[in-house]
Amino acid sequence: AQKVTQAQTEISVVEKEDVTLDCVYETRDTTYYLFWYKQPPSGELVFLIRRNSFDEQNEISGRYSWNFQKSTSSFNFTITASQVVDSAVYFCALSETGGGNKLTFGTGTQLKVEL
Amino acid sequence: EAGVVQSPRYKIIEKKQPVAFWCNPISGHNTLYWYRQNLGQGPELLIRYENEEAVDDSQLPKDRFSAERLKGVDSTLKIQPAELGDSAVYLCASSPPIIGLAAAEQFFGPGTRLTVL
Repeated sequence: AQKVTQAQTEISVVEKEDVTLDCVYETRDTTYYLFWYKQPPSGELVFLIRRNSFDEQNEISGRYSWNFQKSTSSFNFTITASQVVDSAVYFCALSETGGGNKLTFGTGTQLKVEL
Repeated sequence: EAGVVQSPRYKIIEKKQPVAFWCNPISGHNTLYWYRQNLGQGPELLIRYENEEAVDDSQLPKDRFSAERLKGVDSTLKIQPAELGDSAVYLCASSPPIIGLAAAEQFFGPGTRLTVL
């Protein structure tokens, strides 16, 4: 069975600090997809990134970067120079191929960025 | 382009009452999902539709929950009768057709926050 663990329940940082959100996953499949979603206070989940299991290249998008390491089953998310608008709950999710695009979410990490 | 639309945004009912949630997916998205998100948890899939067919309803509590997507577009999720433990946010999502074994991005609506008293 697939499982996603986000051990950090809540993180508080001061604006402009860098912050890394951890995600560890479990799956028996050799082919799978990993996602990160952002859930601001408004409640709507916003897609951030999708990565397939064959692509271990790190990715950078503006202040966001992702580090995928199959050896440790981790898909960590770093925000550089955090801003107050980054305050939200961030979810890591896993989708196994052949699973009909079913997403298994972690429990989320609440990020609070303060001035 | 309009996103996933859900209504109502909030609903407060007494236990044993029925309740229904409505979702209109993004145009052209043939796959529709209903998730339930309990406080402090990630969303959990209740049911997935491919067009008008429910292809995964293994997590749907069928004794009290039902769903339909009659014309393969909008969908309704119903609970009857509601219990205290049903208090949660009910999220609808949609995705475009899946190509091969790829996993399509899911677009989520704002959700319906249900409170059962």
